[in-house]
Amino acid sequence: GAGVSQSPSNKVTEKGKDVELRCDPISGHTALYWYRQSLGQGLEFLIYFQGNSAPDKSGLPSDRFSAERTGGSVSTLTIQRTQQEDSAVYLCASSPQPGRGDTQYFGPGTRLTVL
Amino acid sequence: AQSVTQLGSHVSVSEGALVLLRCNYSSSVPPYLFWYVQYPNQGLQLLLKYTTGATLVKGINGFEAEFKKSETSFHLTKPSAHMSDAAEYFCAVSDRVLTGGGNKLTFGTGTQLKVEL
Repeated sequence: GAGVSQSPSNKVTEKGKDVELRCDPISGHTALYWYRQSLGQGLEFLIYFQGNSAPDKSGLPSDRFSAERTGGSVSTLTIQRTQQEDSAVYLCASSPQPGRGDTQYFGPGTRLTVL
Repeated sequence: AQSVTQLGSHVSVSEGALVLLRCNYSSSVPPYLFWYVQYPNQGLQLLLKYTTGATLVKGINGFEAEFKKSETSFHLTKPSAHMSDAAEYFCAVSDRVLTGGGNKLTFGTGTQLKVEL
């Protein structure tokens, strides 16, 4: 079956511009996670959705970062006024049933480069 | 706070040799432990996980890992390396439920495995 998909696969933007990253989770998966993978920080948790709600946003690095999820499916991560330190690979993962031992299925990521 | 340490950012083995990738964790509660593999330009794929029960966990592609509480370790092994095993491997720990019931994974810094002929 179809896995988690993300678009675009690569995004190059200029400092100060806004960007939107999209995630299409596996159909029927209620939990959705965003992570960031960067050279300096490794893999970091950003935000967790259960359905359309985001009960845990504790990993978002600043108020320039926001995310939403609609229809219990597609999620968009928005970064406003991008900075060079935002350059990273942004990974989305989904899970059929959230819980401490749940298996998260990852998409291929969006590589963001801020010039 | 939970943490994961992966010793050796780069490991090189010969094809057919034993693969051993090390992972040590720190957790204030009984941990759930995961190994993920990442091939170039791809997302992470779960190799195996330990939650409760048997401490020796078998995963995909011939990999296995053993949870050793006394050593706070969860090392990944494979008896015989194959060229297709070349990838980056991440160990992760989950020791708490997120607000709303989710599963926050804390990852190690990764180990790049190179397999040589």
